[in-house]
Amino acid sequence: AQSVTQLGSHVSVSEGALVLLRCNYSSSVPPYLFWYVQYPNQGLQLLLKYTSAATLVKGINGFEAEFKKSETSFHLTKPSAHMSDAAEYFCAVSDGSGGYQKVTFGIGTKLQVIP
Amino acid sequence: GAVVSQHPSRVICKSGTSVKIECRSLDFQATTMFWYRQFPKKSLMLMATSNEGSKATYEQGVEKDKFLINHASLTLSTLTVTSAHPEDSSFYICSANPGTSGSNEQFFGPGTRLTVL
Repeated sequence: AQSVTQLGSHVSVSEGALVLLRCNYSSSVPPYLFWYVQYPNQGLQLLLKYTSAATLVKGINGFEAEFKKSETSFHLTKPSAHMSDAAEYFCAVSDGSGGYQKVTFGIGTKLQVIP
Repeated sequence: GAVVSQHPSRVICKSGTSVKIECRSLDFQATTMFWYRQFPKKSLMLMATSNEGSKATYEQGVEKDKFLINHASLTLSTLTVTSAHPEDSSFYICSANPGTSGSNEQFFGPGTRLTVL
């Protein structure tokens, strides 16, 4: 079984400050891990994904995430927050057995950027 | 590439009517598509897996007679909310996997906002 825990349903940062959104996963097999962003009334856009290659994954809009197997974590970071980063962020996990497998989402973290 | 569209983007209907939502993969074929429901300030809940040419697989607690899914072609899946009631009001999102990314990455449609009066 796979599951995702996102710590903090709301995170507020000042513009220009570090963004850190936490995600821990549980999976019985080596997982695929994803971070998605959702703007109001829109679908989800992929920020980045981990697919067992490099543990430090760089995504769009300056975001990156590091896969830490020992901590079962996949935290999302960005060195300097921008106002346009304000959105809902979802961490997701999918097991690695191939095919069109289910993706399990975390509850989401709403990021607020304070000017 | 890997674009998924949904139609309509927004629909308002009266209680008791049925509403059909379309999900299309525009530049790839998808034998499997997924339908999610998102409640306000909540995460995405997988409703069902839509399989081309066969019956959909519904998640536990999802009424198959209420939410009819038809995957008629490799590029189109439809979700019909039958006899809609106000509690069916929600944001419905579909996704598909082109099968080429090798990572189970899902590409999402823009979502459909359903409001039942």
